[in-house]
Amino acid sequence: DVKVTQSSRYLVKRTGEKVFLECVQDMDHENMFWYRQDPGLGLRLIYFSYDVKMKEKGDIPEGYSVSREKKERFSLILESASTNQTSMYLCASSLTLNYGYTFGSGTRLTVV
Amino acid sequence: QKEVEQNSGPLSVPEGAIASLNCTYSDRGSQSFFWYRQYSGKSPELIMFIYSNGDKEDGRFTAQLNKASQYVSLLIRDSQPSDSATYLCAVNGRNSGNTPLVFGKGTRLSVIA
Repeated sequence: DVKVTQSSRYLVKRTGEKVFLECVQDMDHENMFWYRQDPGLGLRLIYFSYDVKMKEKGDIPEGYSVSREKKERFSLILESASTNQTSMYLCASSLTLNYGYTFGSGTRLTVV
Repeated sequence: QKEVEQNSGPLSVPEGAIASLNCTYSDRGSQSFFWYRQYSGKSPELIMFIYSNGDKEDGRFTAQLNKASQYVSLLIRDSQPSDSATYLCAVNGRNSGNTPLVFGKGTRLSVIA
């Protein structure tokens, strides 16, 4: 079964900490995405990548950065975590940008 | 700014009825349309996709696309309590360019036993 795996299901971090969220896919997909999901706001795209070492800003990139050194791995970095970054973070991958996405199980991050 | 609009609900239907979920989109050039189901506390799961005008059926699910009117709908026949979830509509932009899917905020469906 194809999978997108996110390293942590729940994470609690302190304000100001640097936070790494890891995502690995085993489908040889070109495209990978990071979303956050908040009640009433839906899915909001943070960053996406369509190739190794390539990245594009989404709708809400401020306060985040990403890294894609290998095709299967896409990391989201919170440079200095803040309480307004408390959210559910969802990683996804797809064969092409026009194709359906497969989502990971999500990481619920709480910043205290 | 591309937009995908869905009624947030909740949409309540009795068990065994047909649930009808609707979605409108702003980009007339959109080519691909997707429906995701998301259970509470879980991640979205792709359940249907449609590229051409008309209907596409898969089991109890039917996706309907009308590009002229810029809407896509999902019908769930013989609704079951296990269908209770939030349904997200997603639309891509034009075929050219690196354009991710645009997601609606979702419609919450509640199937009453």
